[in-house]
Amino acid sequence: DAGITQSPRHKVTETGTPVTLRCHQTENHRYMYWYRQDPGHGLRLIHYSYGVKDTDKGEVSDGYSVSRSKTEDFLLTLESATSSQTSVYFCAISRSGGAPDTQYFGPGTRLTVL
Amino acid sequence: AQSVTQLDSQVPVFEEAPVELRCNYSSSVSVYLFWYVQYPNQGLQLLLKYLSGSTLVKGINGFEAEFNKSQTSFHLRKPSVHISDTAEYFCAVRGGSEKLVFGKGTKLTVNP
Repeated sequence: DAGITQSPRHKVTETGTPVTLRCHQTENHRYMYWYRQDPGHGLRLIHYSYGVKDTDKGEVSDGYSVSRSKTEDFLLTLESATSSQTSVYFCAISRSGGAPDTQYFGPGTRLTVL
Repeated sequence: AQSVTQLDSQVPVFEEAPVELRCNYSSSVSVYLFWYVQYPNQGLQLLLKYLSGSTLVKGINGFEAEFNKSQTSFHLRKPSVHISDTAEYFCAVRGGSEKLVFGKGTKLTVNP
């Protein structure tokens, strides 16, 4: 298994509070991604990073920000959580951003916003 | 831009029966195709991928998929399923500089 951990694994929070999810990798892969998974929608890309301090938006980036200060860590922040952000969040990594490159996924974080 | 359609949201089968999970894609460029599996309460795991060459791709756990360019399909098959194959399966496509795009998933339930 790819060395990817996510923390916390479960979190319950209230509307309007800030939340930060962490993804940590031990593979030294250049690319890191944050997805959300919702029933009937599959996985949708939130943000991704192609290097330290290099990030870009995905399909559903509104309400989310990211930061990457070290190769191994990629943080996802919900500045003011809303109920629509209740979801399962997955981090993924890949060696390069090339189209044939495989993405490897972490175990996920289940976030509930009340 | 790419898109993926998984034609069945749920597929129930009996143990030891064959199964086919259907995936169609659209793209204006050459694509790379992937199947991932997600077991309950786990992350996604790569089953197999098509990059180029032989259109029949073999993956882990006895699964295989066939790339059909003319029909823009990448259906996943297994000749005999086990209870342990119960999971959700995602087809994904990527082409050029585009991002990996996932289908909405197919839940496979294998009954005894």
